[in-house]
Amino acid sequence: AQSVTQLGSHVSVSEGALVLLRCNYSSSVPPYLFWYVQYPNQGLQLLLKYTSAATLVKGINGFEAEFKKSETSFHLTKPSAHMSDAAEYFCAVTKGGTGGFKTIFGAGTRLFVKA
Amino acid sequence: GAGVSQSPSNKVTEKGKDVELRCDPISGHTALYWYRQSLGQGLEFLIYFQGNSAPDKSGLPSDRFSAERTGGSVSTLTIQRTQQEDSAVYLCASSLGGGMKETQYFGPGTRLLVL
Repeated sequence: AQSVTQLGSHVSVSEGALVLLRCNYSSSVPPYLFWYVQYPNQGLQLLLKYTSAATLVKGINGFEAEFKKSETSFHLTKPSAHMSDAAEYFCAVTKGGTGGFKTIFGAGTRLFVKA
Repeated sequence: GAGVSQSPSNKVTEKGKDVELRCDPISGHTALYWYRQSLGQGLEFLIYFQGNSAPDKSGLPSDRFSAERTGGSVSTLTIQRTQQEDSAVYLCASSLGGGMKETQYFGPGTRLLVL
């Protein structure tokens, strides 16, 4: 079965500091992995996705994530946090099945950025 | 419109009543998805449509939940005999195609409160 685990429901960083949000997946086949962001009172939007091309994926707003098969991880990073990065971040994987597929989301990590 | 729209944005209902939630996907998007986001929890996949067909309905929480899509466009999620545990934000998303790599574009959600 495929699932997604996000380590840390809350992460707090100072403005200008490195952002690291952790995501581990379990999958018996190469997965398709996504990071979505949800700003306060807004819908989710895609940050980046891994679809078995390059293992280092660059997304919007300076975020990037590296797919590491040996560690079954897809951690999200940004070198320097901005106040505007404060939001909730969701890691997701798509899971295929005989009836189609499902998208499985992690529980989310809320990022706080301190001035 | 340019994005996914959902109506109503907020709905308050009494336990036992039926509710209908509507989703208008991005024009031309063939796939449509419904999720539930409960307070303090991640996103729960409910159902997805490819065209007007839903290949897998196993994500619906109970037989009180049903969904349909007509004309390959608008979708309605119906909850019959609502219960307090149905209180959540119901999110709709659409994607251009129905593949596992597709980016999903989310609406703002319908916040449902069952009293």
